[in-house]
Amino acid sequence: TQLLEQSPQFLSIQEGENLTVYCNSSSVFSSLQWYRQEPGEGPVLLVTVVTGGEVKKLKRLTFQFGDARKDSSLHITAAQPGDTGLYLCAGDSGGSNYKLTFGKGTLLTVNP
Amino acid sequence: EADIYQTPRYLVIGTGKKITLECSQTMGHDKMYWYQQDPGMELHLIHYSYGVNSTEKGDLSSESTVSRIRTEHFPLTLESARPSHTSQYLCASSVHGGLRQEQFFGPGTRLTVL
Repeated sequence: TQLLEQSPQFLSIQEGENLTVYCNSSSVFSSLQWYRQEPGEGPVLLVTVVTGGEVKKLKRLTFQFGDARKDSSLHITAAQPGDTGLYLCAGDSGGSNYKLTFGKGTLLTVNP
Repeated sequence: EADIYQTPRYLVIGTGKKITLECSQTMGHDKMYWYQQDPGMELHLIHYSYGVNSTEKGDLSSESTVSRIRTEHFPLTLESARPSHTSQYLCASSVHGGLRQEQFFGPGTRLTVL
């Protein structure tokens, strides 16, 4: 069974601070997705990374896929209250198994 | 923008009632999924479908059942609701291209069984 470990589980910071959350596994994934979920809503896809070592930027969010495609990180610069939510990573092992392996998520609270 | 819809958004119902949670997508995706999630917690896959007339049980055992008669429609049914079924139910569909698989989620149905 493939597992994705996310850390930290909870994070509470002040507006303007920087933060990094991590997504780690002992398994190799063909791609990895990051989602953000707000309370009472479904997860929204932020980014997909495919290539080992790949870095993608989405405004103040920077996503990195590990060289070995086993881990990923999400860095947020100058966090804002609107960044508050549950951040989920999900890995695709590829092949004909059309299921994603989800991590348990990092619950981020950005205080004004 | 993903077009996947779930109804109702909120449902409060008594024990023993039969309920159907609706999920529809207009993107023509073959693969569809149902997840169960408690607030702020991880997603648990309970059902998935690779296409019309294809349904499979997910990683978390569930007393619910699903059907896939049309590509765009993937309803979930509970024959007799119990308080332990109280949770958020999320429907998703996915697209596959090359090495990537991306799932798009509906807004969810928040179910409370009294």
